[in-house]
Amino acid sequence: NAGVTQTPKFQVLKTGQSMTLQCAQDMNHEYMSWYRQDPGMGLRLIHYSVGAGITDQGEVPNGYNVSRSTTEDFPLRLLSAAPSQTSVYFCASTARRVGEKLFFGSGTQLSVL
Amino acid sequence: SQQGEEDPQALSIQEGENATMNCSYKTSINNLQWYRQNSGRGLVHLILIRSNEREKHSGRLRVTLDTSKKSSSLLITASRAADTASYFCATDGSRGGGADGLTFGKGTHLIIQP
Repeated sequence: NAGVTQTPKFQVLKTGQSMTLQCAQDMNHEYMSWYRQDPGMGLRLIHYSVGAGITDQGEVPNGYNVSRSTTEDFPLRLLSAAPSQTSVYFCASTARRVGEKLFFGSGTQLSVL
Repeated sequence: SQQGEEDPQALSIQEGENATMNCSYKTSINNLQWYRQNSGRGLVHLILIRSNEREKHSGRLRVTLDTSKKSSSLLITASRAADTASYFCATDGSRGGGADGLTFGKGTHLIIQP
């Protein structure tokens, strides 16, 4: 049982480059979300999805795009990477909108030079 | 903005001792959750306590919730070296919870000395 799978685990980009962080879950969860974790800041919500075809912005959405074409996949796109996007990114999924635990992927450590 | 704030930021104790960490939050909530993060790994759910509950146990974990003080505590009894990790509280009150989403505190870094 894989749970939530994120790829890649590490990535180094140059300023202005674009890339996609992949996230897939095999638990048939409707709800998925992306967080970034910075030192001393805890986790902050970037974007989330409440089902296939439905996405919305979280607390820090600028510079990121998402799409949800299937229940399983929720990729996060950086259109033009900036040093401020250096962070650890976590994807999470949950079965219910309220009152349910989140399952997290193992994270992607991104450095933008 | 952070809803939950953990206290202390860091805690170092001897193996076998109990560890207590606290979480304070600002707005009303439906439930509060605690997560553990080992270095370089994703967060793992520990326990969820609902707003109408005052105390909950899971193995060596005990969580209390005081909604009048907007605070929660996580107690780990008989600590082990494997408990070394960062611990986060997460609340759902500010946005409704779930994917849209939980609001996490900055965490307490717990070190268990052998």
